[in-house]
Amino acid sequence: TQLLEQSPQFLSIQEGENLTVYCNSSSVFSSLQWYRQEPGEGPVLLVTVVTGGEVKKLKRLTFQFGDARKDSSLHITAAQPGDTGLYLCAGGVYGQNFVFGPGTRLSVLP
Amino acid sequence: SAVISQKPSRDICQRGTSLTIQCQVDSQVTMMFWYRQQPGQSLTLIATANQGSEATYESGFVIDKFPISRPNLTFSTLTVSNMSPEDSSIYLCSVDAERAGELFFGEGSRLTVL
Repeated sequence: TQLLEQSPQFLSIQEGENLTVYCNSSSVFSSLQWYRQEPGEGPVLLVTVVTGGEVKKLKRLTFQFGDARKDSSLHITAAQPGDTGLYLCAGGVYGQNFVFGPGTRLSVLP
Repeated sequence: SAVISQKPSRDICQRGTSLTIQCQVDSQVTMMFWYRQQPGQSLTLIATANQGSEATYESGFVIDKFPISRPNLTFSTLTVSNMSPEDSSIYLCSVDAERAGELFFGEGSRLTVL
């Protein structure tokens, strides 16, 4: 069974601070997605990474896929209250259903 | 991407009753999924809704409790049967619209069972 772990589970920071969220597994994934979910909404896809060592940037968000394709990180620079939400990573293996991590609940205080 | 609409967005139900949730997609998709998200938790896959055949259920979920219909490539329903308070959750419809290994979600249906 493939499992994804995320850390930290909860994070509360002040506006303007930087943060990093981690997603780890003992399994290899062919792709990994990051989603953000706001209260009362469904998860929204932020990025997909597929190549080991890949780095993708989305404005103030930087995503990295580990060289071995077992882990990923999400770094947010100068966090804003609008970044508040539940961040979920999901791993995909061809021909199998996605596996979701437990999520990191981020709160950015003004 | 795909635009996914779910109805109802929320409901409060009595124990022992059943509720059907609808999912409409703005384009034809092959892969359609139903997830459950219990309060404060991550997503758990209930089943894959297959067009023209019975849904494929994950371990711990059965057809009698969560019957699913998929009459065409743009629509599916999930019924939560004989509800108990433990069924209080957000139920999410999801599609892999372009078979690119990326999921798109509806806004979810928040169910509270009293």
